[in-house]
Amino acid sequence: NAGVTQTPKFQVLKTGQSMTLQCAQDMNHNSMYWYRQDPGMGLRLIYYSASEGTTDKGEVPNGYNVSRLNKREFSLRLESAAPSQTSVYFCASSELSGAYSREQFFGPGTRLTVL
Amino acid sequence: TQLLEQSPQFLSIQEGENLTVYCNSSSVFSSLQWYRQEPGEGPVLLVTVVTGGEVKKLKRLTFQFGDARKDSSLHITAAQPGDTGLYLCAGAAGRRALTFGSGTRLQVQP
Repeated sequence: NAGVTQTPKFQVLKTGQSMTLQCAQDMNHNSMYWYRQDPGMGLRLIYYSASEGTTDKGEVPNGYNVSRLNKREFSLRLESAAPSQTSVYFCASSELSGAYSREQFFGPGTRLTVL
Repeated sequence: TQLLEQSPQFLSIQEGENLTVYCNSSSVFSSLQWYRQEPGEGPVLLVTVVTGGEVKKLKRLTFQFGDARKDSSLHITAAQPGDTGLYLCAGAAGRRALTFGSGTRLQVQP
């Protein structure tokens, strides 16, 4: 089992460019998440999908869109990148969400720089 | 918005010393999870505590969930260089996704 995989691992964009970060999990988990991690800070939730067919905003959703393509895949799109979106992006999955969540499994991260 | 505050933010100690990291909130959580993150990798779960007052031990690491389920602590005995990393607490409540603390960066000098 690969667990949670993310592509790409590194990306450099110019301001205004768009891109999609891909995430897939092979653990048959219901819930998937996108976080960003900035230097000296913990993880901030961008969007999550509690189950296939649903998505909800997290703490910092502005400038991002998501798609839960199927149970395995959850993508994050930056429509018009800004330097403030320079960060490390983590995708995660869990069997259940909210109060029933007992463990999240994380991907290796995508390091994004916006010039 | 539920907030989890971790302290200290940064800790540099010598090998063999003991340390405690704290995770505090004004909100009640159904469970609290502790993760460790190493440079260039995603966080990995260390433990989940569910019951108020619960204590769990993982080798030299001792985790405690507060009686009121609003706070937690992580105690490391005789720290080793391999314990170096970013320690994150995360609380689960209601239908929301996990709320993560800001992290404690631990450096253990040999």
